Amino acid sequence: DQQVKQNSPSLSVQEGRISILNCDYTNSMFDYFLWYKKYPAEGPTFLISISSIKDKNEDGRFTVFLNKSAKHLSLHIVPSQPGDSAVYFCAATDKLIFGTGTRLQVFP
Amino acid sequence: GAVVSQHPSWVICKSGTSVKIECRSLDFQATTMFWYRQFPKQSLMLMATSNEGSKATYEQGVEKDKFLINHASLTLSTLTVTSAHPEDSSFYICSARDPRGVGSSAETQYFGPGTRLLVL
Repeated sequence: DQQVKQNSPSLSVQEGRISILNCDYTNSMFDYFLWYKKYPAEGPTFLISISSIKDKNEDGRFTVFLNKSAKHLSLHIVPSQPGDSAVYFCAATDKLIFGTGTRLQVFP
Repeated sequence: GAVVSQHPSWVICKSGTSVKIECRSLDFQATTMFWYRQFPKQSLMLMATSNEGSKATYEQGVEKDKFLINHASLTLSTLTVTSAHPEDSSFYICSARDPRGVGSSAETQYFGPGTRLLVL
């Protein structure tokens, strides 16, 4: 039973535009969420997190939005750069319940 | 950020053999390491938490006698897949918690590059 879902396996965005990666979860008790980025042959690296007491957290080009009523969070990258091309995972709780990932490709 | 290595990066073995995967924290001492597994088109799933000097804590559904974890030093944890079978073929990835880090325990976990296991 997948508690954290990333329904889009891939996303292609032009450089300079906004990338929006989505994530849904099923457990309303989840109160902490993280986004990770993974390049090929490397482990996931932490990007940004958000606590359920907030609905937005921003760090440079990366912003995470949390909609608790919809059990949905999203990662916005703006402007997107070719170096952002990677697989992005969302995860819930400090125990890291991961989604299946979304492969982002940013093209020139 | 901190560096975590895994060895080997990929391994092919015959059914019935045992395979050992190493996870090392290269520039910090990790009292806690984690082992994950990812099957194709599925998410990374936590298998067990490895604590230095004590027994590992396994997640529900993970056979502790099949997946032996040893965390004998502050920089090394090993996962041994005993009597491997084709259904054990997967991507195994470890992470280590850096106690020097600021932030939540999840934010201070650093992942290795993973080991792809294929059991024939």
